[in-house]
Amino acid sequence: QKEVEQDPGPLSVPEGAIVSLNCTYSNSAFQYFMWYRQYSRKGPELLMYTYSSGNKEDGRFTAQVDKSSKYISLFIRDSQPSDSATYLCAMSSNTGGFKTIFGAGTRLFVKA
Amino acid sequence: DTGVSQDPRHKITKRGQNVTFRCDPISEHNRLYWYRQTLGQGPEFLTYFQNEAQLEKSRLLSDRFSAERPKGSFSTLEIQRTEQGDSAMYLCASSFITATSYEQYFGPGTRLTVT
Repeated sequence: QKEVEQDPGPLSVPEGAIVSLNCTYSNSAFQYFMWYRQYSRKGPELLMYTYSSGNKEDGRFTAQVDKSSKYISLFIRDSQPSDSATYLCAMSSNTGGFKTIFGAGTRLFVKA
Repeated sequence: DTGVSQDPRHKITKRGQNVTFRCDPISEHNRLYWYRQTLGQGPEFLTYFQNEAQLEKSRLLSDRFSAERPKGSFSTLEIQRTEQGDSAMYLCASSFITATSYEQYFGPGTRLTVT
């Protein structure tokens, strides 16, 4: 079993839809949770960062962390074609040198 | 531009050749990381530096791979005697660690193709 599980998709939605992306993890020591957006052949771009549990909102993006269920989510409201990309969840702890473990990424297509 | 930069962006080499990649992190960041990403997968950790000290290496980093960060500034990743299985995107990231802050910022990557 991988430490971080993420459905690779692809996920296809119409423009304006609410998108829900999720990851589960097995290591209860993870404290830092991140979502990255990666366009084809580009480096990952940090979207959201959360320390420990709770919700964080930034514009159309909301990140949620439920440590009791070992489950994190990213919601995208009013999705746009420009949101079409691969979304990577990532997590880390301050033990083991802050090594970051990534999910495999979910490919999202937003249709105009 | 004050982001992480990597050079070259693309490298095509023949099997058995040596290659070296460079990463320039965000200037005030004290940690620098190298990752490898293959198609359809998330980045996989290779190694990281705290200033000039290399503190951890993944088992993915065979003895053909070596990384340095002289003077705690830029870093280089060298692959000796390249193999076709080394073909991947090599990503560099940097961060400034505090008790509650751990955001890593990635560069654009170096895409390596071994023929």
